[in-house]
Amino acid sequence: DTAVSQTPKYLVTQMGNDKSIKCEQNLGHDTMYWYKQDSKKFLKIMFSYNNKELIINETVPNRFSPKSPDKAHLNLHINSLELGDSAVYFCASSLRGFSYNEQFFGPGTRLTVL
Amino acid sequence: SQQGEEDPQALSIQEGENATMNCSYKTSINNLQWYRQNSGRGLVHLILIRSNEREKHSGRLRVTLDTSKKSSSLLITASRAADTASYFCATDARGGGSQGNLIFGKGTKLSVKP
Repeated sequence: DTAVSQTPKYLVTQMGNDKSIKCEQNLGHDTMYWYKQDSKKFLKIMFSYNNKELIINETVPNRFSPKSPDKAHLNLHINSLELGDSAVYFCASSLRGFSYNEQFFGPGTRLTVL
Repeated sequence: SQQGEEDPQALSIQEGENATMNCSYKTSINNLQWYRQNSGRGLVHLILIRSNEREKHSGRLRVTLDTSKKSSSLLITASRAADTASYFCATDARGGGSQGNLIFGKGTKLSVKP
């Protein structure tokens, strides 16, 4: 049973396209996150979200938007994709959105923009 | 902004040897966590140490925290080939704008040769 799952695992697309990455967690957590890992393995928080609050990293372009249909899902929509968006995107979840709790990560989605 | 920074960037040892990785950070924290990432996979939580703790053990892992020096170390004893992975420290800045989100360092790439 996969705790945090993401689809697709690989995504190759052209510049300018709009794409979505889906994330689901079955842990009953109430907070979910999106991270971007660049080619140098640097992992950076993009968003954290629970049913009360969306916290956005101010450096994330507004072409990126998280959408949560329910507590178990947090999808990432990206508009007008750019070459620099190529990276591995990780979804994660935790209990109560509190940094005292460990985060559980999905397997990642490798996005390649051509 | 980046909070944690691991040292060394890469470490290569023989099976059975101990591996020590260090992490330095800049601001006051509530806790510090260590994660492992196998190649092509998501991050897995290893251990969390609170700001009022100095040392913590989990199996072959030993973590220390020195808040006066703003540094932490992760020691893996009797290393195995399966320990080959990248190791990241993650901190949450106390107060400030992080909102309790984790901020990851660049990681140490550990290679354990059989």
